[in-house]
Parts: sequence; C-alpha cells; structure tokens
Amino acid sequence: IAGITQAPTSQILAAGRRMTLRCTQDMRHNAMYWYRQDLGLGLRLIHYSNTAGTTGKGEVPDGYSVSRANTDDFPLTLASAVPSQTSVYFCASSDSGGPGDTQYFGPGTRLTVL
Amino acid sequence: GQNIDQPTEMTATEGAIVQINCTYQTSGFNGLFWYQQHAGEAPTFLSYNVLDGLEEKGRFSSFLSRSKGYSYLLLKELQMKDSASYLCAVMDSNYQLIWGAGTKLIIKP
Repeated sequence: IAGITQAPTSQILAAGRRMTLRCTQDMRHNAMYWYRQDLGLGLRLIHYSNTAGTTGKGEVPDGYSVSRANTDDFPLTLASAVPSQTSVYFCASSDSGGPGDTQYFGPGTRLTVL
Repeated sequence: GQNIDQPTEMTATEGAIVQINCTYQTSGFNGLFWYQQHAGEAPTFLSYNVLDGLEEKGRFSSFLSRSKGYSYLLLKELQMKDSASYLCAVMDSNYQLIWGAGTKLIIKP
C-alpha cells in the first residue's frame, strides 16, 4: 500500500508558466487537502475537498485551483506561477474530514518559481 | 484571529526528557494534534488530544488543558532519531487544522 503519492518530487518553473502538482491516495479516504510549507511559518491550507465532486478554499487559495473528479486524485494547478509560490507543497488525506480526523501526508513537492 | 504558538527551537541531551509547549487561540476546538517532521520529509502523526489530561504512547506523551489553551508534548529517553521538528495543530470549528510554525528539536550526544 503506497498511501499518498505526489509528483513531481521537485520542479523548477519559469514565472508565468502553468503547472499541475499531482496527488493520488489509495486509502479510499473521502477528504483531501493541499498545504504549502514555508520556512518560519506553519503549514497553510490552500484548498480542500471533503468528498469527490466538492472542493473548498483554505487560508491561501489565490493563484491556485483544484479539482476532485474521483476519490483517489486531487491535482493542484498553478495557472500562472509567480516567485511567491516557491514553496514545499504537501498533499494530505483523511477518512472523513470530520472532528478528530487524522490527516496523513504525502512526501511533498518542492517547487521553485524563477 | 487564530494563533498557535510554540518555541522555535529547543536543545536537549540524548537520554534526557524534553517538554515542548504549545498555546493556542482558535475559533472553536475539535482537538489538538502533534506531528513529527524530519528534515526534508512529510509530517507524521504522533498524538491527538480532545479531552483534558495526559495521553501516553510509549516514550511520547501529550497533555491538554482546554481552559488554558495549552498543550505540551513530552519526549522521554531521548534518542538521536528524535531530532526533528514537532508541529502542533488545532482543529477549529470548521474541522480545519490550524498549524503552529513548529519546534525544531536538536538532540546532542
């Protein structure tokens, strides 16, 4: 069982380019999340999905979009990358997204926007 | 606003005990989580507290006082592999996690 996989592992991207970060889980979890992690800051929620077909905005959604066509996949798209989007991006999933639900994290994607 | 505070860095000696504190102010409370994150890796779940008191799990224990908005993670019999960042997170009224910036724990021989 792989758990959660993310691709690519790392990427250097020119500003203005479009980029999709991929996330797949095989735990049949209903809820999925995208976070960014920057030095000196806590993890910040970008977007989330409580079930296939629904998505919601987190704390820092601007410049990002997501889709949830099925249970397993939750891609994150940067329509036109900017240097401030340089960060480590983590995808996570949890069983239901409800109270006390533990989130499990993928290995992360390190993105550099030049 | 919502806020999670924890020390930026702590140093401890192998074999000793260390306590990492976390204070929080959030809109609603649906439990507090502790995660461990080794450098360059993903956070991994350590503990969850929703009721006041101490939860013990092997060498690690976590304490919660909801009235004080306070938690701590206690690590006993420290090992070199415990060198990592420890992240405190509170689940708010929308069932979303609000994260502290993490405490980097350095273990010295």
